[in-house]
Amino acid sequence: ILNVEQSPQSLHVQEGDSTNFTCSFPSSNFYALHWYRWETAKSPEALFVMTLNGDEKKKGRISATLNTKEGYSYLYIKGSQPEDSATYLCAPEGGGNKLTFGTGTQLKVEL
Amino acid sequence: NAGVTQTPKFQVLKTGQSMTLQCAQDMNHEYMSWYRQDPGMGLRLIHYSVGAGITDQGEVPNGYNVSRSTTEDFPLRLLSAAPSQTSVYFCASSSAAGGEQPQHFGDGTRLSIL
Repeated sequence: ILNVEQSPQSLHVQEGDSTNFTCSFPSSNFYALHWYRWETAKSPEALFVMTLNGDEKKKGRISATLNTKEGYSYLYIKGSQPEDSATYLCAPEGGGNKLTFGTGTQLKVEL
Repeated sequence: NAGVTQTPKFQVLKTGQSMTLQCAQDMNHEYMSWYRQDPGMGLRLIHYSVGAGITDQGEVPNGYNVSRSTTEDFPLRLLSAAPSQTSVYFCASSSAAGGEQPQHFGDGTRLSIL
């Protein structure tokens, strides 16, 4: 079982602000790093699966980086919009496609 | 596209009752898993399966059974419900047991044990 920490626990930003949050985990024994977006009353939705080659991933205003040596990943949101309000989960993938989820960063974007 | 379908969406049980949470996917995914979500905790893996006929325990398997007789279905059975099993349960599937594929989640089952 991997110990996964996400920070901050929650974040309030204004519309248009750029923001980032962190996922840290043991740097050994993982095969990929997943990011999910979870809106209230919905199910988690995959954002990125980051492989060990460490390439940055980007989807619209959201991007993520992975440092495999030191065991952390950053998720960046550029120009936050109210529809970005959600909880963002990270999960390193161990053997057998097993994911260990962090408790998430809850983002609230205010007008 | 149905994706991952969970039934029921809500259920209330009495302590000691048994029930089965259903999960079905129509994407021909090999890998399926069950998680529970409790306040202040991340999604925790209960059981998973890498293909029909193969299941294994996750982080919190006690009190739950699973089977995988077909690729499509992965039911989760509570043998004798306890209040500690009050939670929201999510089923997920992905396309490759080898990993590095995103997991697709169902809408969840909210279960209360009285």
